Amino acid sequence: QKEVEQNSGPLSVPEGAIASLNCTYSDRGSQSFFWYRQYSGKSPELIMSIYSNGDKEDGRFTAQLNKASQYVSLLIRDSQPSDSATYLCAVNSGYSTLTFGKGTMLLVSP
Amino acid sequence: ETGVTQSPTHLIKTRGQQVTLRCSSQSGHNTVSWYQQALGQGPQFIFQYYREEENGRGNFPPRFSGLQFPNYSSELNVNALELDDSALYLCASSLATSGGETQYFGPGTRLLVL
Repeated sequence: QKEVEQNSGPLSVPEGAIASLNCTYSDRGSQSFFWYRQYSGKSPELIMSIYSNGDKEDGRFTAQLNKASQYVSLLIRDSQPSDSATYLCAVNSGYSTLTFGKGTMLLVSP
Repeated sequence: ETGVTQSPTHLIKTRGQQVTLRCSSQSGHNTVSWYQQALGQGPQFIFQYYREEENGRGNFPPRFSGLQFPNYSSELNVNALELDDSALYLCASSLATSGGETQYFGPGTRLLVL
């Protein structure tokens, strides 16, 4: 059973702080990793994809991947109240099949 | 906006009924995946269609079935609805090349079974 684990939160950070979201996965054969943001009542929206070990930066977002530790993280710098949402970690372990974690709720207070 | 559309947006059915949900993929995408998201959970993979054939299935019973059409749009059919089928149903489209492609989600259909 392929599993993706996330802390459900909520993770509370003040505006302007760095939010750190973490995810572990069970399938060592996983090749592609994604972070989606989901606002309440809406569908998931892609934030980042990462395929290789190391860091990948896109604006205020940085994804980090460590395949040896089976660990993926997402850092959000200068957090804004509009970043308050549930963040879903997704792992591709088969041909275009995504396995999702339950998501971490992030609350950014003004 | 991802360019993926779904209909209807909301639906109320009673136990035992049948439902059909529809999805139009993003232009240029040839693969459609369907997910079920229960309240407070992450999306769970139902199945995927590629070139009109089922290309993988999650742990869902046969009463969940689907179709993909030549224009790559897709339908999800659920027979003999149960109360636990109440969820957000998400369609995601992608362009299949070598696997691991990014999937883009539509707005979802919220199904309530009474």
